[in-house]
Amino acid sequence: KAGVTQTPRYLIKTRGQQVTLSCSPISGHRSVSWYQQTPGQGLQFLFEYFSETQRNKGNFPGRFSGRQFSNSRSEMNVSTLELGDSALYLCASSGTSGTAKNIQYFGAGTRLSVL
Amino acid sequence: AQKVTQAQTEISVVEKEDVTLDCVYETRDTTYYLFWYKQPPSGELVFLIRRNSFDEQNEISGRYSWNFQKSTSSFNFTITASQVVDSAVYFCALNYGGSQGNLIFGKGTKLSVKP
Repeated sequence: KAGVTQTPRYLIKTRGQQVTLSCSPISGHRSVSWYQQTPGQGLQFLFEYFSETQRNKGNFPGRFSGRQFSNSRSEMNVSTLELGDSALYLCASSGTSGTAKNIQYFGAGTRLSVL
Repeated sequence: AQKVTQAQTEISVVEKEDVTLDCVYETRDTTYYLFWYKQPPSGELVFLIRRNSFDEQNEISGRYSWNFQKSTSSFNFTITASQVVDSAVYFCALNYGGSQGNLIFGKGTKLSVKP
């Protein structure tokens, strides 16, 4: 079974631009969560989508948004980029049945640099 | 408040030494899950173990073992006979009732195993 796939792996943007990151979950997983990882703040939860609906949201400004498609693939968007948005963005998917229920499996991440 | 504390920022050991990574958590919920993840330099978070709040049995998997003690709100991780390949950042995380899809992470412990 293929793991969680995130594209692109690396991105360089300038302040004020917007960016879209993509995440393909493990086949059969309907929950997708997004996290931001920075040296200062560590790993912080952004939001979670389940069956195309946002189920949980972390404490981030409205510039951070996401969506989930009917095939469970998810995208997150950051508008009006700031220098502080430079981070590793990690996506995780989890299933709803079996022994691996609710275990989050992570992708390799997208490293975003804002100049 | 929900919180995970990993007091050890960095640990350095010589190969074949045993090493214990500490994790202390806070939650008011009676139903919760605790996790350990490993993050090698490649960036991907690798799932190691999940424990639920009703199961205090210790677990051993090869060279890895976990000690869960509700009385002290701790979920410590021991690597026996460490190897260079164990070098990584290790994260402890909490998922409490009602927050499905939202993991609260500790700041991580960077383990360096030298040959």
